[in-house]
Amino acid sequence: SQKIEQNSEALNIQEGKTATLTCNYTNYSPAYLQWYRQDPGRGPVFLLLIRENEKEKRKERLKVTFDTTLKQSLFHITASQPADSATYLCALDGGTYKYIFGTGTRLKVLA
Amino acid sequence: DAGVIQSPRHEVTEMGQEVTLRCKPISGHDYLFWYRQTMMRGLELLIYFNNNVPIDDSGMPEDRFSAKMPNASFSTLKIQPSEPRDSAVYFCASSFDGGLVLGELFFGEGSRLTVL
Repeated sequence: SQKIEQNSEALNIQEGKTATLTCNYTNYSPAYLQWYRQDPGRGPVFLLLIRENEKEKRKERLKVTFDTTLKQSLFHITASQPADSATYLCALDGGTYKYIFGTGTRLKVLA
Repeated sequence: DAGVIQSPRHEVTEMGQEVTLRCKPISGHDYLFWYRQTMMRGLELLIYFNNNVPIDDSGMPEDRFSAKMPNASFSTLKIQPSEPRDSAVYFCASSFDGGLVLGELFFGEGSRLTVL
């Protein structure tokens, strides 16, 4: 069956460290993958998109990698700050723009 | 632009009642998505539209759920009759066709539904 898995355990890291979140998928062949941030009581907000032919994408302190062989995307936040604390969701195209989301990883950056 | 607008933000109703959730997408967007979010199941895609036409409704849980998009600026998600297990946050999102790659999804703030 098709699955998108993110680490369901909360991730706690110290301020200034790099946070690394994982998104693994099975039985999908996505042409691209997206990452979103969701704060409590709010809707998800788009962060980054990476295409299948791109190994890496950066935006300010954010970096995303996409390994179609491993069927995995890694999401990095460098020099993390308490304001980065949120839930991060990966999403991929399940076919014909049918966006499917992972369950999300809750990140807490400790001051 | 005000973004995707959803109403109501909160709805508390009793089992068996009809619930109607509303969404106004961003002007110019030709895709509209309805999602449901719960702690147990995360963010689930219920149905999505392209140019007001439903494309995939395979995520709609039961016949009690229906969605319409009568025009490009309005969509509704209706639950009739509602049940306690329908309690969740319902999100509407819109996007535009960016050629080969669909643009990012723009989400509303959600409608939190509680069915007693």
